[in-house]
Amino acid sequence: ILNVEQSPQSLHVQEGDSTNFTCSFPSSNFYALHWYRWETAKSPEALFVMTLNGDEKKKGRISATLNTKEGYSYLYIKGSQPEDSATYLCAFGSYNTDKLIFGTGTRLQVFP
Amino acid sequence: EAQVTQNPRYLITVTGKKLTVTCSQNMNHEYMSWYRQDPGLGLRQIYYSMNVEVTDKGDVPEGYKVSRKEKRNFPLILESPSPNQTSLYFCASSLRPLSPPYNEQFFGPGTRLTVL
Repeated sequence: ILNVEQSPQSLHVQEGDSTNFTCSFPSSNFYALHWYRWETAKSPEALFVMTLNGDEKKKGRISATLNTKEGYSYLYIKGSQPEDSATYLCAFGSYNTDKLIFGTGTRLQVFP
Repeated sequence: EAQVTQNPRYLITVTGKKLTVTCSQNMNHEYMSWYRQDPGLGLRQIYYSMNVEVTDKGDVPEGYKVSRKEKRNFPLILESPSPNQTSLYFCASSLRPLSPPYNEQFFGPGTRLTVL
């Protein structure tokens, strides 16, 4: 059974704080790692798709790194803003299956 | 506008009454998928389809059926709904999420289903 774990489960930060969360996944048979941002009452939206060990992706104040050998990815948010409040999901893809396995997400709340 | 649409958005029904949730995408995507979201469990894949007439089970397929007769549509069928199928359902589509170039999935707006 492929297991994807995200930590922490939830996070409360003040506006301006920088924060990061972790996605852990099986290190064998790695194919791709997706990050999605999911605001309340909306649909998940893709942030990054990462495939190579050592990949670093950036979109504005949000960046992500990938370590496929040890099976983890970090998502960083620099200078959090209230509009960053959302659940951040990662999803792991293995080359011996066509399925994306989602983690349970990290719920971020940024207070003004 | 490129989008994934689902209908209905909200549905309250009773045990055993067959229902279909429609999903349609206008991006010519090969891959389509259904997920359910339950508190504390994350998104779990029900069924997916790599292309027309090609479907496969995800992690929680029991009690569900799908079909892919056309590339744009991927309906989810509950032949005899039960209360444990009360959940938030998402349809998603993409080009090829697990083959180069590893495309992200586009999600529909969700369908909140309650089975009494």
